[in-house]
Amino acid sequence: EDKVVQSPLSLVVHEGDTVTLNCSYEVTNFRSLLWYKQEKKAPTFLFMLTSSGIEKKSGRLSSILDKKELFSILNITATQTGDSAVYLCAPEDSNYQLIWGAGTKLIIKP
Amino acid sequence: NAGVTQTPKFQVLKTGQSMTLQCAQDMNHNSMYWYRQDPGMGLRLIYYSASEGTTDKGEVPNGYNVSRLNKREFSLRLESAAPSQTSVYFCASSDFRGPLHFGNGTRLTVT
Repeated sequence: EDKVVQSPLSLVVHEGDTVTLNCSYEVTNFRSLLWYKQEKKAPTFLFMLTSSGIEKKSGRLSSILDKKELFSILNITATQTGDSAVYLCAPEDSNYQLIWGAGTKLIIKP
Repeated sequence: NAGVTQTPKFQVLKTGQSMTLQCAQDMNHNSMYWYRQDPGMGLRLIYYSASEGTTDKGEVPNGYNVSRLNKREFSLRLESAAPSQTSVYFCASSDFRGPLHFGNGTRLTVT
């Protein structure tokens, strides 16, 4: 059965810190992996990763995929209070179906 | 540009009542989805519609029905609500093989 585990479940850091969020997966016929940010309401798309070892970057956020070891990380540098959210990881199978992790709740203290 | 619009935002039902959650998107996307989100669990797919005129079951379809009314609208119906259906429901849409765009959710409580 397909499985996604995100760690840690929750994390509290101070503004300016750097954080690393983890996502490990076991997905039959893996195609890609997506990261989303969920604040109060709708999840919003961050990254789609399809190739191992190629970092995707958007401002202070970056992410990388390791298809051999079956994991992805999401890094956030110089964190701000606006980064407080639940970060969701979702591997995608060859039928374009997403398997969602339970999320990492990140709290940034001023 | 509104994106994905869900109504209502909140709803309280008694066990056995029925209701329909509405979803509309204005991005001309072909695919639309209904998910539920429960504490400590990932989003779970209830039903999806790959294109107008088609619908398919997801991971947790029991107790729900859907209608893809046209390209823009995809509704979710609970015929006889149960307390286990208390959840936050998200509608989403996507372009072909693109990332999902979500609505702001409907918080449903069944007592």
